[in-house]
Amino acid sequence: GAGVSQSPSNKVTEKGKDVELRCDPISGHTALYWYRQSLGQGLEFLIYFQGNSAPDKSGLPSDRFSAERTGGSVSTLTIQRTQQEDSAVYLCASSLTVGYNEQFFGPGTRLTVL
Amino acid sequence: KNEVEQSPQNLTAQEGEFITINCSYSVGISALHWLQQHPGGGIVSLFMLSSGKKKHGRLIATINIQEKHSSLHITASHPRDSAVYICAVSPLTGTASKLTFGTGTRLQVTL
Repeated sequence: GAGVSQSPSNKVTEKGKDVELRCDPISGHTALYWYRQSLGQGLEFLIYFQGNSAPDKSGLPSDRFSAERTGGSVSTLTIQRTQQEDSAVYLCASSLTVGYNEQFFGPGTRLTVL
Repeated sequence: KNEVEQSPQNLTAQEGEFITINCSYSVGISALHWLQQHPGGGIVSLFMLSSGKKKHGRLIATINIQEKHSSLHITASHPRDSAVYICAVSPLTGTASKLTFGTGTRLQVTL
């Protein structure tokens, strides 16, 4: 595709519900990253994939958060039993490969937990 | 203390002014990134550098590895430059792709 796409662009959910956020990286990019930007706070790293594997999951805030990537392309970030503090913009980025490579960001998914 | 510090936090300039945004970091890095985020918009990567200086149009980024400091300069600023500018670093050890971000500098350029 022309760029990184994310869906949905906005998601409003009730506390306790599960949500799935999707990221479609640039075609041919083997590395994929998830970040979170909370209101009034900076960006924080959540997880990255090289191909289908996630070597570093240390950024995930709790075990309610999980992510997977299949076929080396689309990735899904799942938040179970959402809490109000999960409200944030979730950003996805991709790069040609990991390491010294420019990252291209998607438009983000704004998650609001009521 | 954050691993990546930016200054100033907020900056207002008049059109045409020369702007400098600073970034200091406390860890060894393999690369430093400058990102731009427009209000309500996505994030665009402006520069990725590990040494020296890079230029793209009116934007210039420099880095001094010994002093752990980078600057982003905007020459002949324009209202369309109004955005949040974010510095991020890739660590030298561990996961190189695990960016650590500064809190951003909010720039407003007025006519």
